[in-house]
Amino acid sequence: DGGITQSPKYLFRKEGQNVTLSCEQNLNHDAMYWYRQDPGQGLRLIYYSQIVNDFQKGDIAEGYSVSREKKESFPLTVTSAQKNPTAFYLCASSMSRIGGLAGWGDTDTQYFGPGTRLTVL
Amino acid sequence: AQTVTQSQPEMSVQEAETVTLSCTYDTSENNYYLFWYKQPPSRQMILVIRQEAYKQQNATENRFSVNFQKAAKSFSLKISDSQLGDTAMYFCAFMPYNQGGKLIFGQGTELSVKP
Repeated sequence: DGGITQSPKYLFRKEGQNVTLSCEQNLNHDAMYWYRQDPGQGLRLIYYSQIVNDFQKGDIAEGYSVSREKKESFPLTVTSAQKNPTAFYLCASSMSRIGGLAGWGDTDTQYFGPGTRLTVL
Repeated sequence: AQTVTQSQPEMSVQEAETVTLSCTYDTSENNYYLFWYKQPPSRQMILVIRQEAYKQQNATENRFSVNFQKAAKSFSLKISDSQLGDTAMYFCAFMPYNQGGKLIFGQGTELSVKP
């Protein structure tokens, strides 16, 4: 089955610890994204990557880091610098984000993984 | 700043009836996409429907359809023949064409379908 997997489903972190959330996709998508969801709110973009070995900050990148060494993987590290990390984290991917080259179509639609719930103890 | 507003925090509908969820957005862009996503209690985000801004025809997907009014910057979702499985949080989202695929979400509308 093709899809996006995130692990773990639940994660607990102690104060001052770094933790890494996994996101893997086997859809052969070029672009991948990380969002944060707080209770009663919509999603906010943390980081995104359009191609391997390249990524950009989103709206709330402070306290987070990412890597994109492989096309199918886009792990997110929540560092101790993130002051309020308790939230639900969602990873997404899309076929292409090269806009005009790909033309209009379904290439920009983002598909989401099942999410990771991070709680700081 | 580009924003998405969903003015109805909660809505309810009887099974088999029709309900419309509202969404407005603010942008100076001319080219963009609009989406409705559904988040059931499992919290998995599921694409419901998408609309390209350059298309005048409203998108439809089975029981789901949109009313896209570009001049008014309005993008409402109509669910016909509501089913119990439609119970979920619904998010409207906006994607400008030239900003790296960034999705901007509204706050969501919690829809309850009652038997």
